[in-house]
Amino acid sequence: DTAVSQTPKYLVTQMGNDKSIKCEQNLGHDTMYWYKQDSKKFLKIMFSYNNKELIINETVPNRFSPKSPDKAHLNLHINSLELGDSAVYFCASSQGALAGSGVDEQYFGPGTRLTVT
Amino acid sequence: AQSVTQLDSQVPVFEEAPVELRCNYSSSVSVYLFWYVQYPNQGLQLLLKYLSGSTLVKGINGFEAEFNKSQTSFHLRKPSVHISDTAEYFCAVTRHSSASKIIFGSGTRLSIRP
Repeated sequence: DTAVSQTPKYLVTQMGNDKSIKCEQNLGHDTMYWYKQDSKKFLKIMFSYNNKELIINETVPNRFSPKSPDKAHLNLHINSLELGDSAVYFCASSQGALAGSGVDEQYFGPGTRLTVT
Repeated sequence: AQSVTQLDSQVPVFEEAPVELRCNYSSSVSVYLFWYVQYPNQGLQLLLKYLSGSTLVKGINGFEAEFNKSQTSFHLRKPSVHISDTAEYFCAVTRHSSASKIIFGSGTRLSIRP
């Protein structure tokens, strides 16, 4: 059974489109994250939710909007896609004894490779 | 603010040779330190972490790391590597605080030659 799953695995779309990436974890964790990994493998956190509440919101364009319908799901919606949005997006989760503390091991999904043409 | 520097972007090593991947951090407060591994086309997986106590930390797959506060380093080592260790390795740091995000280094690609 996959602990953290993401769909789709690959996403190719044109500039200006709106797209969503879904993430689900079956670990019973309280905290979930979205990361962006660029072409140089640089990994940066975008958002973090604890029990459906936003706790970390990095400086990302407001075209990116996370949504957490319940603590097992954290979806990422992107409006008006741009070329620079092309990257691999990773979802992760942790038990989060201290909300967003990073002390707990983070479990990563397999990633969604987004290509904007 | 914290930062992490991984000095080597690529490290080629022969199979069964020892390897050290270097990581230095900067922070004005106490930190927790981590090493994650990313195998090709996969997400990251925790190798080991330093929270407190013994400065020598042992992780999975035979890896270990040593926390050196005076040199602000957390180098990763393995005495004998295997082809299956080929991957990208990320050092990361976070503060001793709630709601603190993890900062990742730029990664080191470890390639094992037969």
